[in-house]
Amino acid sequence: DAGVIQSPRHEVTEMGQEVTLRCKPISGHNSLFWYRQTMMRGLELLIYFNNNVPIDDSGMPEDRFSAKMPNASFSTLKIQPSEPRDSAVYFCASSIRQYEQYFGPGTRLTVT
Amino acid sequence: DAKTTQPPSMDCAEGRAANLPCNHSTISGNEYVYWYRQIHSQGPQYIIHGLKNNETNEMASLIITEDRKSSTLILPHATLRDTAVYYCIVRVKPNNTDKLIFGTGTRLQVFP
Repeated sequence: DAGVIQSPRHEVTEMGQEVTLRCKPISGHNSLFWYRQTMMRGLELLIYFNNNVPIDDSGMPEDRFSAKMPNASFSTLKIQPSEPRDSAVYFCASSIRQYEQYFGPGTRLTVT
Repeated sequence: DAKTTQPPSMDCAEGRAANLPCNHSTISGNEYVYWYRQIHSQGPQYIIHGLKNNETNEMASLIITEDRKSSTLILPHATLRDTAVYYCIVRVKPNNTDKLIFGTGTRLQVFP
């Protein structure tokens, strides 16, 4: 099993640009989570899906952030427009047994 | 969800047992204790979880006090690869609201 796959691993963009982060969960997992990690705020849950349906998006910082899960094997997190304060490592995780989440390697986003 | 308190950092000699404490004095009867760790530049990794009985797996042991107000994660023979930030999390038994809330954790440094 390849584990949770995230792309790109690194993204550098200019303020105002649209950024799309991608995640492929582990096959058979029915829950998917997007987290953001910064030095100041630690690891924060942004949104999670269960059976492709968004369950809780209360952690999404503002309307510039959106997430979709069109099918069980793919999810995107989009930031439009991006700002320097969005710079962080974004993790995707998936689970099936609901207590053991498997995290991807993360996408390091830098907005200049 | 109940809050947890962990020491910010600990040291451990390679080959010795690492005992990481966690205080969760406000834990409710239906809340589980979970442990994750995050090795530098990687996503968090699930270690173990428990309700009230002690638990052991291939990675670690979890000792929960009888009153459930605190617990200890034990790495029986720490290696340099165990250097990481360890997170203690408490939350209700998994259901459709499947959220992990990460605190600041304990930074464990294993030295030769």
